[in-house]
Amino acid sequence: EAGVTQSPTHLIKTRGQQATLRCSPISGHTSVYWYQQALGLGLQFLLWYDEGEERNRGNFPPRFSGRQFPNYSSELNVNALELEDSALYLCASSSGASYVEQYFGPGTRLTVT
Amino acid sequence: AQKVTQAQTEISVVEKEDVTLDCVYETRDTTYYLFWYKQPPSGELVFLIRRNSFDEQNEISGRYSWNFQKSTSSFNFTITASQVVDSAVYFCALRGPGRRALTFGSGTRLQVQP
Repeated sequence: EAGVTQSPTHLIKTRGQQATLRCSPISGHTSVYWYQQALGLGLQFLLWYDEGEERNRGNFPPRFSGRQFPNYSSELNVNALELEDSALYLCASSSGASYVEQYFGPGTRLTVT
Repeated sequence: AQKVTQAQTEISVVEKEDVTLDCVYETRDTTYYLFWYKQPPSGELVFLIRRNSFDEQNEISGRYSWNFQKSTSSFNFTITASQVVDSAVYFCALRGPGRRALTFGSGTRLQVQP
């Protein structure tokens, strides 16, 4: 069974630009989560999508947004990039049950210069 | 609010030593779920175990074992006879019943020297 996939692996952008990160969940999983792992800040929850809807978001500004497509894949958009947005962005997926574990993808490393 | 504390920032052991990674959590939920993940240098978080708050049974899986104690709000992880391949950052995480997002601890970097 294929795991969670993310693209691109690496992304280099300039301050002020926009970045788009993509995630494909495990087949049969309807929930997609985005986390940011910035140096020194640990893993922080960004967004949760389920059945095409945004269900919850973490403590991040509105320039972090995304969507979930009918095939449950997801996109994370970061507008007006700032240097501190440089981080590893991890996507995870899970089935609809509330108690189950989340499975993570390999991440996209975003570097803002 | 939920909080997970992994007080050990970095641990270094020699191969074949046993090592315990500590995890202490805080939550007001009566039902919650605890997790351990491994993050090797490649960056991908690998799921290791899930424990429900109503199940305090300890678990052993090969060289890995987990000790869940509700009375002390701890969920510790022991690796027996450590190997170089165990070198990674290990994260403990918590989730409440209505909250889908995971609250992570800051992680413990384990270095196993040959």
